[in-house]
Amino acid sequence: EVVLTQSPGTLSLSPGERATLSCRASQSVSSTSLVWYQHKPGQAPRLLIYGASSRATGIPDRFSGSGSGTDFTLTISRLEPGDSAVYYCQQYDDSPPRFTFGGGTKVEIK
Amino acid sequence: QVQLQQSGPRLVKPSQTLSLTCVISGDSVSSGNAAWNWIRQSPSRGLEWLGRTYYRSKWNNDYAVSVKSRIIINPDTPKNQFSLQLNSVTPEDTAVYYCVRSWHSAYFDFWGQGTLVTVSS
Repeated sequence: EVVLTQSPGTLSLSPGERATLSCRASQSVSSTSLVWYQHKPGQAPRLLIYGASSRATGIPDRFSGSGSGTDFTLTISRLEPGDSAVYYCQQYDDSPPRFTFGGGTKVEIK
Repeated sequence: QVQLQQSGPRLVKPSQTLSLTCVISGDSVSSGNAAWNWIRQSPSRGLEWLGRTYYRSKWNNDYAVSVKSRIIINPDTPKNQFSLQLNSVTPEDTAVYYCVRSWHSAYFDFWGQGTLVTVSS
């Protein structure tokens, strides 16, 4: 079973700065199965990036995903106050079917 | 726009059955491209996928190993909804439960509002 480890646990940055979030898999995963979500308190998670680098509908281009194999990155350029949230990576195995989430990175805007 | 509306009891006694329903609007539970999932979140277990139901010429279900012996997810085609039944619950099952659509088995794109279910006597 693939384990996803996210780092850092918390990122505290100022508006306008760039955030770099890491998601490391315990074994190589397909890029097509790597996904990123944004989760704000009291709301449902929101799909940001799928297939490691494709932005979901309505997601601003400040959000970008990259990586392959075991190392994936979510980059938020030009942070805004509304970007405060916990960000999760997730991957999918189809044999047997299984979805796994990372532990999350909390982004705080100073 | 797809919308998922959850309902069900928020307090369940230990050893009893947790039951939640998710009504779908803007899509069909019988969609050939989507699957209908239940995911929960707790401080101790984080985000945990529980299982899904989907139609591909016939109805199919997949369940997480951690709950496989006590979970049932059922579609209800006439009402365009699906349900979660989790048997023999313990306080460890206390969590926020979400119903969620997945698209082409690739990602979760539409989520219900979440229901905090507490298991306590």
